Amino acid sequence: QVQLQESGPGLVKPSQTLSLTCTVSGGSISSGSYYWSWIRQPAGKGLEWIGRIYTSGSTNYNPSLKSRVTISVDTSKNQFSLKLSSVTAADTAVYYCARYDPVAEYFQHWGQGTLVTVSS
Amino acid sequence: DIQMTQSPSSLSASVGDRVTITCRASQTINSYLNWYQQKPGKAPKPLIYVASNLQSGVPSRFSGSGSGTDFTLTISSLQPEDFATYYCQQSYSTPPMFGQGTKVEIK
Repeated sequence: QVQLQESGPGLVKPSQTLSLTCTVSGGSISSGSYYWSWIRQPAGKGLEWIGRIYTSGSTNYNPSLKSRVTISVDTSKNQFSLKLSSVTAADTAVYYCARYDPVAEYFQHWGQGTLVTVSS
Repeated sequence: DIQMTQSPSSLSASVGDRVTITCRASQTINSYLNWYQQKPGKAPKPLIYVASNLQSGVPSRFSGSGSGTDFTLTISSLQPEDFATYYCQQSYSTPPMFGQGTKVEIK
């Protein structure tokens, strides 16, 4: 059973870069044809898709965040990562990593989520 | 972007009730509609994919229907563990947008 686990700093200062890593276990990140995604959820609010990466390295980003987002993959470590630059308090949220199945067309597996607070 | 609108935003129901949640897309999405359940402090859990397909391990009291722009999630007999927030999500185009959520509370 595939499992995903987010890790990274829980506190980031305004204007700095938020960096998170998702470690995949129970299967190789390179096997199959999956998209590896980041999704966030501010407290008490809904879900916002940030972007995704394919194991080939091709990426897609939410246009609303595209100028500030970079998603990368490290197949040797079975990890993929998120960088969000120039953060503000509006970026405070629980950040989830998830595996998207492009055949069944849904987010099949999710990490437990990690809270990132943007504050000085 | 395709906007997803759920109704109601919240509802109160009793154990054993039949519950229906509606999701409307701002343009046609064929059957590319998924449903997730989220409990406080937990990640969303997939329930239904491509409008009507039950995720493995999900009880059969959950069902989904619809196509085009209008979709429904039905819980045939609400159980105590079903009190949660439910989200729809379109997978027809990028970015994959979520509805605002429907909170199902105990009456």
